[in-house]
Amino acid sequence: DGGITQSPKYLFRKEGQNVTLSCEQNLNHDAMYWYRQDPGQGLRLIYYSQIVNDFQKGDIAEGYSVSREKKESFPLTVTSAQKNPTAFYLCASSIMHSGANVLTFGAGSRLTVL
Amino acid sequence: KQEVTQIPAALSVPEGENLVLNCSFTDSAIYNLQWFRQDPGKGLTSLLLIQSSQREQTSGRLNASLDKSSGRSTLYIAASQPGDSATYLCAVTPNTGNQFYFGTGTSLTVIP
Repeated sequence: DGGITQSPKYLFRKEGQNVTLSCEQNLNHDAMYWYRQDPGQGLRLIYYSQIVNDFQKGDIAEGYSVSREKKESFPLTVTSAQKNPTAFYLCASSIMHSGANVLTFGAGSRLTVL
Repeated sequence: KQEVTQIPAALSVPEGENLVLNCSFTDSAIYNLQWFRQDPGKGLTSLLLIQSSQREQTSGRLNASLDKSSGRSTLYIAASQPGDSATYLCAVTPNTGNQFYFGTGTSLTVIP
């Protein structure tokens, strides 16, 4: 079955450490996204990529970095510069299909800073 | 910038009741609108997508409508069940660019 795989599902980090969240899709979607979700808040866009080797900052990119070396993969690194990284992180991808821009999500990764 | 609002933030109904969830957006120049469901600690699952040229879409007990001129969409759930308890989010795609704008969601609880 096609879909988006995020790993790990749960991740614990000590302050000052960088961590990388994996996102892999086999949907052949061109665009990929990273969102952050905090309790009581909506989804906030961190980074997005429309094609391989190209990506753009979203609304809250500070303290995060990404790469897009392959169409299928869009890993997110949470750096030590991110002051409040504890959150639920969602990866998504999209494709133009039959006149609609369809967005699909992974199951999410929960990051906790100890 | 597009702003998307969902009211109410939380809703509690008895099982079997029909209900309507609301989504409002400020810029009517949209490409499509998508409704999602999110269970606690899970990702978002797509429920319905309405293209800008459409007025409504149906899937089972769910019906979503779109009125671009007034900047509103509604998600109608018929004969609600406890399994419908979740947070429902709407996302708007503008005509330009490849971004999505989300509402903050409505948390639905269906009481057995």
